[in-house]
Amino acid sequence: QVQLVQSGPEVKKPGASVKVSCKTSGYTFTSFPIIWVRQAPGQGLEWLGWISPFHNKTVYAHILQDRVTMTADTSTTTVYMELRSLTLDDTALYFCARDYRVGSTVTAAEGYYWGQGTLVTVSS
Amino acid sequence: QSVLTQPPSASGTPGQRVTISCSGSTSNIGSNFVFWYQQVPGAAPKLVISRSNQRPSGVPDRFSGSKSGTSASLAISGLRSEDEADYYCVAWDDSLSGQVFGGGTRLTVL
Repeated sequence: QVQLVQSGPEVKKPGASVKVSCKTSGYTFTSFPIIWVRQAPGQGLEWLGWISPFHNKTVYAHILQDRVTMTADTSTTTVYMELRSLTLDDTALYFCARDYRVGSTVTAAEGYYWGQGTLVTVSS
Repeated sequence: QSVLTQPPSASGTPGQRVTISCSGSTSNIGSNFVFWYQQVPGAAPKLVISRSNQRPSGVPDRFSGSKSGTSASLAISGLRSEDEADYYCVAWDDSLSGQVFGGGTRLTVL
């Protein structure tokens, strides 16, 4: 069965970086893109970006463009999301999700299988 | 302010049909697919409508989606207590080159 298992909670200071992992299993890793979404406490969902492990192509949300990097390791079927120069506003629950359709494009990306979420807390 | 506009709340009684709207513009809903997610607080979102009007595998046919122009809607018929959740619409925005979410609608089953 398809599973996405994310790394554990993180507590970081402002200005630091965090790297969240999303270990996938149960399907052909390179066939489905992964999206990242976050949710600040009591707030709505925010799209962070998309990565295609097959093409090793990424598309990031403009507001995070210069602070975020998403990578895919085909040897371990794990996707990573690194966020740098953290601020208090980056405190949120971060989710990875696998696309519903094989080879989906970024404009039609949709999360069908989800990780359990990783809480990132930024505090001084 | 979210790029896509949803009502903050909606409600209905068991068995009723409720509709949640999502308003956007020509750069997002007007030219791209709309997706709908259901989220119970504290849990991961669940995809309930794919590509504006398709139900993913496992989603009951009580859920339906539609799109017209720059607006979309999610309809839930035969409302059940387990439908109580937050619902989010999302679409690609050509101007922002990214996906944009609505602010979410909290559905209460009375």
